[in-house]
Amino acid sequence: AQSVTQPDARVTVSEGASLQLRCKYSYSGTPYLFWYVQYPRQGLQLLLKYYSGDPVVQGVNGFEAEFIKSNSSFHLRKASVHWSDSAVYFCAVSAYGNEKITFGAGTKLTIKP
Amino acid sequence: GGIITQTPKFLIGQEGQKLTLKCQQNFNHDTMYWYRQDSGKGLRLIYYSITENDLQKGDLSEGYDASREKKSSFSLTVTSAQKNEMAVFLCASSIGRGTSQNTLYFGAGTRLSVL
Repeated sequence: AQSVTQPDARVTVSEGASLQLRCKYSYSGTPYLFWYVQYPRQGLQLLLKYYSGDPVVQGVNGFEAEFIKSNSSFHLRKASVHWSDSAVYFCAVSAYGNEKITFGAGTKLTIKP
Repeated sequence: GGIITQTPKFLIGQEGQKLTLKCQQNFNHDTMYWYRQDSGKGLRLIYYSITENDLQKGDLSEGYDASREKKSSFSLTVTSAQKNEMAVFLCASSIGRGTSQNTLYFGAGTRLSVL
């Protein structure tokens, strides 16, 4: 079975500061990993995904994530956050040949001015 | 581009009632999903379907039925609404075809309240 843990339900960061949102997955094989974002009053949309190759993947709006297999982690990072980054961020996992996609509980990010 | 349309946007039901939510996509995607979003619990997979007439149970399928009679549509039925239940049901689709690398495209959601 596959699962995702996002240990931080809420994170508050000052505008211009760096950001890391944590994600740990559980899957016995090689996972495919995703970060989705839900802006206020909008639908979920893909931020970035990893399925092979370079473990550091770049996404939209300056976000990146690093797949660390030894730690079962796929943390999301951004060097300098903007007020518009306030949203709920979801980590998700799937696997080759299996269309089941499992999401974590989400992390609500608030940016302080 | 395509769109996913969920109807209705808001659904108010009575305890014990059977309620049906509908989802249509015009991406021509193979795979469709139903997720339930509760505050603090993230998205939990109810059912998914990899092709017309296929149904796969997710982690939260008990208390729900699903139907995929056409490639473009996927409906979800709450078999017996629970009192004071409140949740948002999200429909999504992806290209599918067995790789599971594909991006999910989400609808705007159906917000359920049970009196």
